[in-house]
Amino acid sequence: GAVVSQHPSWVICKSGTSVKIECRSLDFQATTMFWYRQFPKQSLMLMATSNEGSKATYEQGVEKDKFLINHASLTLSTLTVTSAHPEDSSFYICSARDFGLAGGKDEQFFGPGTRLTVL
Amino acid sequence: GQNIDQPTEMTATEGAIVQINCTYQTSGFNGLFWYQQHAGEAPTFLSYNVLDGLEEKGRFSSFLSRSKGYSYLLLKELQMKDSASYLCAVSSPYGGATNKLIFGTGTLLAVQP
Repeated sequence: GAVVSQHPSWVICKSGTSVKIECRSLDFQATTMFWYRQFPKQSLMLMATSNEGSKATYEQGVEKDKFLINHASLTLSTLTVTSAHPEDSSFYICSARDFGLAGGKDEQFFGPGTRLTVL
Repeated sequence: GQNIDQPTEMTATEGAIVQINCTYQTSGFNGLFWYQQHAGEAPTFLSYNVLDGLEEKGRFSSFLSRSKGYSYLLLKELQMKDSASYLCAVSSPYGGATNKLIFGTGTLLAVQP
């Protein structure tokens, strides 16, 4: 149980284009999903918290108009990087939370990540 | 502010024991997690502490002292496959009602033969 998938696993795009990344909880419902970004040799940085049916909450310094998040259902959240530039190249990881599965310990279950390269 | 510190790199020998320390200063605390992350992969859950003391799970143990803002991850009988980054993360409701994970910089552990 508690499997989270991401699609695509890697993507290469041209500067100025938009890229959509999907995050799905496969065997549980996640009212809250999180999006992280990780640059090489650095730790995970939280970008935004996504709640089903409501607007995402963005961390300080993250442009909400550039990183569009849609959490349309209890099993799917999408992150769209709009007008991507080379500095957006990074490893994007989503996670989903289900208190029931985690025995109340507020554990997040991570997806396998998406490697984005912007040329 | 939110601050979590870990050593950047550590080296240990196969079969030995290694302790990875983590100190934290956060506004709010709802538990501390340790994750293992191999290069290019997502983090995988290792342990969780919310009360003071030691939690043991096989070759891995984790300790927490809330009064000191301190935790460590202890890895015994090291194996080559344990070479990875180890991430300390604190669950905190900073900035709102939802608990969020604040990650440390991670400790890159190299296990040598």
